[in-house]
Amino acid sequence: DADVTQTPRNRITKTGKRIMLECSQTKGHDRMYWYRQDPGLGLRLIYYSFDVKDINKGEISDGYSVSRQAQAKFSLSLESAIPNQTALYFCATSDPNRGANYGYTFGSGTRLTVV
Amino acid sequence: QKEVEQNSGPLSVPEGAIASLNCTYSDRGSQSFFWYRQYSGKSPELIMFIYSNGDKEDGRFTAQLNKASQYVSLLIRDSQPSDSATYLCAVSYGGSQGNLIFGKGTKLSVKP
Repeated sequence: DADVTQTPRNRITKTGKRIMLECSQTKGHDRMYWYRQDPGLGLRLIYYSFDVKDINKGEISDGYSVSRQAQAKFSLSLESAIPNQTALYFCATSDPNRGANYGYTFGSGTRLTVV
Repeated sequence: QKEVEQNSGPLSVPEGAIASLNCTYSDRGSQSFFWYRQYSGKSPELIMFIYSNGDKEDGRFTAQLNKASQYVSLLIRDSQPSDSATYLCAVSYGGSQGNLIFGKGTKLSVKP
């Protein structure tokens, strides 16, 4: 089983609909992140959480919200989806106990299309 | 402005050659540097980590760091067609274990 699991893998939704992307991890990492990836724009940070009570905005949080339901679960919501939110979304985790080598582990991604 | 710059490529090398991928970053306080490989439609996979000046070797991969020049590179020796992917440079910001900022990636194509 994957260490970082994202659901759904693919989703097509209509403009104005609310949608939730889910992420769960079995790595026991405290830190979790949501990124979106667009061609030519690279990976951009949406939200991140260092523990269950800690939620922080990233560089492109407008139009998104998150919930950290447990150490292992971090969900991303689009309250009212719009076409320019069409992208590949990645959840990632990291372990601060690894010192300087705390590189992120990514989930398999969710390809979201808003029509 | 936090920036990580990479040449988007594509970088094309023949099989068996050395591929050289470069990355520059803007924050002199950055402490940790990572290279990820991403196949088309797949998630990024961590392949190298470096935090001290100099070279770090792991199999066919060598990461090089020059903090004075704010420059990180990845060398892939004996390149194989299976190395064809986009390589992302990631740099920490905001001190120890700060969030990572990713470059936009360099697309590498290894021709048989």
